[in-house]
Amino acid sequence: EVHLLESGGGLVQTGGSLRLSCAASGFTFSSYAMSWVRRAPGKGLEWVSAISGGGGDTYYADSVKGRFTISRDNSENMVYLQMNSLRAGDTAVYYCAKLSRIAAAGTPDYWGQGTLVTVSS
Amino acid sequence: EIVLTQSPGTLSLSPGERATLSCRASQSVSSNYLAWYQHKPGQAPRLLIYGASSRATGIPDRFSGSGSGTDFTLTISRVEPEDFAVYYCQRYGNSPPWTFGQGTKVEVK
Repeated sequence: EVHLLESGGGLVQTGGSLRLSCAASGFTFSSYAMSWVRRAPGKGLEWVSAISGGGGDTYYADSVKGRFTISRDNSENMVYLQMNSLRAGDTAVYYCAKLSRIAAAGTPDYWGQGTLVTVSS
Repeated sequence: EIVLTQSPGTLSLSPGERATLSCRASQSVSSNYLAWYQHKPGQAPRLLIYGASSRATGIPDRFSGSGSGTDFTLTISRVEPEDFAVYYCQRYGNSPPWTFGQGTKVEVK
């Protein structure tokens, strides 16, 4: 059974940094791309970032490009999102998702429960 | 960037009624790489449909997807009490960003 568990969320001041982690199990981790998606309060889902199965290809939404960095450790079945220069608009529940193929072009087929990030001045 | 517009914003239905949700893309979605998700408060989103019309593993057959190009539809043939939720469409495939629609809330009438 696929299981994704996010951690690392919390309250951070504007301009601060936070690192989210996602522990994956139940599938061959290195064979699938992974993604981060967020949902701000009162808004819909927003794709944030994705990384290929080998980690060599990464993608970002324009809203986070240059501030967020996605990475993965295939030996530990972990994916990370390093978030710097945080803004109030980054306040959201952040979901880790497994994609359906090794390339980041796949669809998110399994999701975690999410971790809340609150950015406050 | 392909923009996905969902309608209606809210759909008020009674259990047993049919639900028809629309997702319109600003440009043609290549290879019908269009997915639908169900999201309930406090839960992980769940993949319902991929490739515009293929049901994901374990999804009941009352959920069906159709459409191509720029117009896509999610249909729930008879809404069950557990189906009240927010539904999102998403474009995937080559060329990010992999945008979501703004969502349709299916609520109890």
